[in-house]
Amino acid sequence: DSGVTQTPKHLITATGQRVTLRCSPRSGDLSVYWYQQSLDQGLQFLIQYYNGEERAKGNILERFSAQQFPDLHSELNLSSLELGDSALYFCASSVDFLSYEQYFGPGTRLTVT
Amino acid sequence: ELKVEQNPLFLSMQEGKNYTIYCNYSTTSDRLYWYRQDPGKSLESLFVLLSNGAVKQEGRLMASLDTKARLSTLHITAAVHDLSATYFCAVDLTGNQFYFGTGTSLTVIP
Repeated sequence: DSGVTQTPKHLITATGQRVTLRCSPRSGDLSVYWYQQSLDQGLQFLIQYYNGEERAKGNILERFSAQQFPDLHSELNLSSLELGDSALYFCASSVDFLSYEQYFGPGTRLTVT
Repeated sequence: ELKVEQNPLFLSMQEGKNYTIYCNYSTTSDRLYWYRQDPGKSLESLFVLLSNGAVKQEGRLMASLDTKARLSTLHITAAVHDLSATYFCAVDLTGNQFYFGTGTSLTVIP
């Protein structure tokens, strides 16, 4: 157990809908990262937050957004969902904004029908 | 854009044998990571390599980094069934953006 928690574990929704994925980092970690894992695209970095501020952006679609709250938990919002958004979404955390050691959560499996 | 290639993509090996997984990347970086993922599970950090020539070993796994060749290797010694998993390398360009390889699915056969 990495200490990173993600909810929900599974999510099934329809095209066009909006969902929110939640992540709580390990105690003491200030950075949160979001990744998408799909059969088509593999593992892709989406976005990083450090202590409430956006630090780095990867291949995140405009339909997706994220934020990190004062208590350091983070949410990833996915809107206007398409079939291709079906994937496993991982959150990871690290102590600092330089990610020498990242600890991954169990993931949220999103299925868009 | 940084490209990270792993080979082989699939590896089936007998218990007791040795093998090496290769990770090539297209842009200079001196930070490379190896992860393990079991089916349906999350990623587990195996090694963090932070300089040219870095070598780290844990049990039957050993990872090395050659930044000049833009190559990292994950060597498996005397494989056992418990090592069956998918292994990913990831390259870090800026200190906070990971680019993952395609993954190598390893199956160790008794």
